[in-house]
Amino acid sequence: EIVLTQSPGTLSLSPGERATLSCRASQGVGNSYLAWYQQKPGQAPRLLIYGASGRATGIPDRFSGSGSGTDFTLTISRLEPEDFAVYYCQQYANFPRTFGQGTKVEVK
Amino acid sequence: EVQLVESGGGLVQPGGSLRLSCAASGFTFSSYVMRWVRQAAGKGLELVSGISASGTYTYYADSVKGRFTISRDNSKNTLYLQMNSLRDEDTAVYYCAKVGGSGNYDVPDYWGQGTLVTVSS
Repeated sequence: EIVLTQSPGTLSLSPGERATLSCRASQGVGNSYLAWYQQKPGQAPRLLIYGASGRATGIPDRFSGSGSGTDFTLTISRLEPEDFAVYYCQQYANFPRTFGQGTKVEVK
Repeated sequence: EVQLVESGGGLVQPGGSLRLSCAASGFTFSSYVMRWVRQAAGKGLELVSGISASGTYTYYADSVKGRFTISRDNSKNTLYLQMNSLRDEDTAVYYCAKVGGSGNYDVPDYWGQGTLVTVSS
């Protein structure tokens, strides 16, 4: 099973700042089959990024993903008020599909 | 517009059973893999089960194997999860999710709002 470790656990930033979230895998994620989701309280997760760097439909270009192998990054170039949420990474190279424990981006 | 609406959650005693449903609309249901993902309160996400577009192939997490059964009725555009021998640790919000495609896009791209399952005596 591929274990995904996200860091930091909480990121305290102000609107307009840049957010950099990390997702590290316990073994290589083949084909960069790594996705990122955003989840707000009381809501379902929303797909942001697939294939490590592909933006899902309707996702603003301030969200970008990068990385390969075991190290992946989600970057939000300029935080908007609606971006404060919890972010999860997920690998889909192997079964079981696994998720990271999440990074909370909160208002500083 | 893609819509996924779960139902069937509720309070059940340990050892009991529950059947979740997910009504799908806004896309060709019979063409897509579907999955159930759960989230315990304040916790992360766990893929519980998945089913191929035709219903031929299924997947279960080790934590539910032998107790849960996923199925679908493509004539009714509905996904199901039969949950038996429920345990306290099955308490969670259960989401149904549509998978975007294959290969690079083999990820849940649309999710329902979830239905809460509470296992407690």
